[in-house]
Amino acid sequence: SQQGEEDPQALSIQEGENATMNCSYKTSINNLQWYRQNSGRGLVHLILIRSNEREKHSGRLRVTLDTSKKSSSLLITASRAADTASYFCATDNGSEKLVFGKGMKLTVNP
Amino acid sequence: NAGVMQNPRHLVRRRGQEARLRCSPMKGHSHVYWYRQLPEEGLKFMVYLQKENIIDESGMPKERFSAEFPKEGPSILRIQQVVRGDSAAYFCASSQRDNEKLFFGSGTQLSVL
Repeated sequence: SQQGEEDPQALSIQEGENATMNCSYKTSINNLQWYRQNSGRGLVHLILIRSNEREKHSGRLRVTLDTSKKSSSLLITASRAADTASYFCATDNGSEKLVFGKGMKLTVNP
Repeated sequence: NAGVMQNPRHLVRRRGQEARLRCSPMKGHSHVYWYRQLPEEGLKFMVYLQKENIIDESGMPKERFSAEFPKEGPSILRIQQVVRGDSAAYFCASSQRDNEKLFFGSGTQLSVL
């Protein structure tokens, strides 16, 4: 069953702008993770935020988690053409597997 | 320190044949996951294994599909009597601990003619 749902499904921005992606989920979680996938490749782990954390930073990435709203957001600041990819959120809800959303396609135009 | 290795990268099979997909996890990782991805869709969990044990196979069809992770050698996802609907990208991932950061292979693109 689908746990995380990313929103919007597609986003097109200009280089230098910020990109914000949202993820909503249904059940309580232990952690939430964001991954990136370039076309035809495997997923690459970006960042993990635990249920007792509210915000986390990694380089140009900022992730927030609101467990009361069951939602997370991924912010990419000062986007680059190389950030063009699909982005997925994945949740650990205590079962022995990560459940991935359908993904969001980000296009950064040079 | 090689990453997760999957082979083959592309696999073409005719209906009714068998497909064997291999995955070597990262060194030191004992948790292996298989996911399936259709075009423009997310990843669907199939099976989670640790060495010599299937921990969760709730996402894997009961018929024709099987997976193993032997004590020695790679993890194998085996699809018997393939049908056109099996055409997809199959990704393997490994981790040191369950549900922590997953490292993915580049996937095997299975095409059934």
